[in-house]
Amino acid sequence: EIVLTQSPVTLSLSQGDRATLSCRASQSITTSLAWYQKKPGQAPKLLIYGASSRATGVPARFSASGSGTDFTLSISSLEPEDFAVYFCQQRSNWPQSTFGQGTTLEIK
Amino acid sequence: QIQLVQSGPEVRKSGASVKVSCKTSGFLFVGYGFSWVRQAPGQGLEWVGWISGYSGKTNYSEKFQDRVTLTMHTTTNTVYLEMTRLRSDDTAIYYCAREGDFEVGSGWAHYLDYWGPGTLVTVSS
Repeated sequence: EIVLTQSPVTLSLSQGDRATLSCRASQSITTSLAWYQKKPGQAPKLLIYGASSRATGVPARFSASGSGTDFTLSISSLEPEDFAVYFCQQRSNWPQSTFGQGTTLEIK
Repeated sequence: QIQLVQSGPEVRKSGASVKVSCKTSGFLFVGYGFSWVRQAPGQGLEWVGWISGYSGKTNYSEKFQDRVTLTMHTTTNTVYLEMTRLRSDDTAIYYCAREGDFEVGSGWAHYLDYWGPGTLVTVSS
């Protein structure tokens, strides 16, 4: 099983700050990675697919990069609605899938 | 508009079974696959399995291989998750999600673009 490890577990930042979240795979997954945003009481929302492509309607302040085993999600200037939990997901061996354990982005 | 509507909350005793439904609308059901994902209280997301809306072919996480069955009905555009031999650590919100088609590089990949609202399954001992 491909294991995804996200860091940090918790990120405390202020509105307007830049956030950088990391996701590391236990083996190469090329660019078969997605990022999701999860808020309490809501279903996850797809933000990024193919490691770096924004999903429809996702603001441009969200960007992502990476390939192989190391991936990054960046949020350029945090808005109040960005404080949530972020998960990465791999689809390298589709339809099998695994998620990272999540990074909680909280208000400092 | 695209909708995935899930059945209501369930409470079961340990050792029992549960079946959760996910009725879809607003797109061609047979053109897509569907994944089930769960989130236990205070935990992260966990992929449970996948089913093709076209063929009914399934693929499961090894963790759930012997306790979960995914099925679908094309006549009602509905997918189902059945879990047997429930344990207290199966208490979670269970989500169905559509596997959207995304063009990446020179090919296509599948990611979860539309989700149901989730179904809370509570297992008590």
